[in-house]
Amino acid sequence: GAVVSQHPSWVICKSGTSVKIECRSLDFQATTMFWYRQFPKQSLMLMATSNEGSKATYEQGVEKDKFLINHASLTLSTLTVTSAHPEDSSFYICSATGANYGYTFGSGTRLTVV
Amino acid sequence: QQQVKQSPQSLIVQKGGISIINCAYENTAFDYFPWYQQFPGKGPALLIAIRPDVSEKKEGRFTISFNKSAKQFSLHIMDSQPGDSATYFCAASMKNDYKLSFGAGTTVTVRA
Repeated sequence: GAVVSQHPSWVICKSGTSVKIECRSLDFQATTMFWYRQFPKQSLMLMATSNEGSKATYEQGVEKDKFLINHASLTLSTLTVTSAHPEDSSFYICSATGANYGYTFGSGTRLTVV
Repeated sequence: QQQVKQSPQSLIVQKGGISIINCAYENTAFDYFPWYQQFPGKGPALLIAIRPDVSEKKEGRFTISFNKSAKQFSLHIMDSQPGDSATYFCAASMKNDYKLSFGAGTTVTVRA
C-alpha cells in the first residue's frame, strides 16, 4: 500500500528559530500534498495544498511567510516553520495523494517551541 | 464553517458492543466519504470509504451506511474491541477538488 514518511516525529526548538519538517511518499508519486495542523482533542485543520513544482495554496488565515512549503519533487514536500514561537507548538501532519492513490497520511510531527 | 458535522463527540462501549458514529453534510457536490482512525500521537489512517452510488459498504467489522437523500453517513463498528479505542474522523471531498473536509472527531473508548 501507499506509504508516507514524515520526519521528524517530534522536535523541540527555541523560540525564534526555524524548523523544517519533511514529508515523503515512499512508493508512489504524490502529485498533491497537504499540510495540516491539529490541536489537542481537535480535528485536522488544513493549512495548505501543494502541487509538485508550483507554489503552495494557503488556507485563509495561514501565514505563508511563517509556514513555508516547498514541493520540489513528486516524492518530497517540506514545511518550514520560520521564527517559531510557543503558539506555533502543535501537531503537524502531512498527507499525499497521487494517480490511483487516495489520501495517505504521515505519522505526524509534534513541534514544541520553548 | 464546518462542512461535515459529526456526532457524538465521544462514546463509551463495552467490549463486543456496537459503536455508531454519525456524520451529516450539506454540500451535494461531495462524492467521496472516508472514515479515518487516529491513535494518540499518530497520523490518521484510512479505515473505510464510500462513494454515493452505494448505500452500504462493509469491511470486516466496519460498515459505512450512506443515505444520499438525507445527506448523512455513519460508521458502525461491530464487536468492538479495546484496540478500537481511538478517535474517528469522517470526511468528505468533491470530485476534482482534493481537499478533505473533516468532521470534528469522535473519541471511542471500548471497555473490557
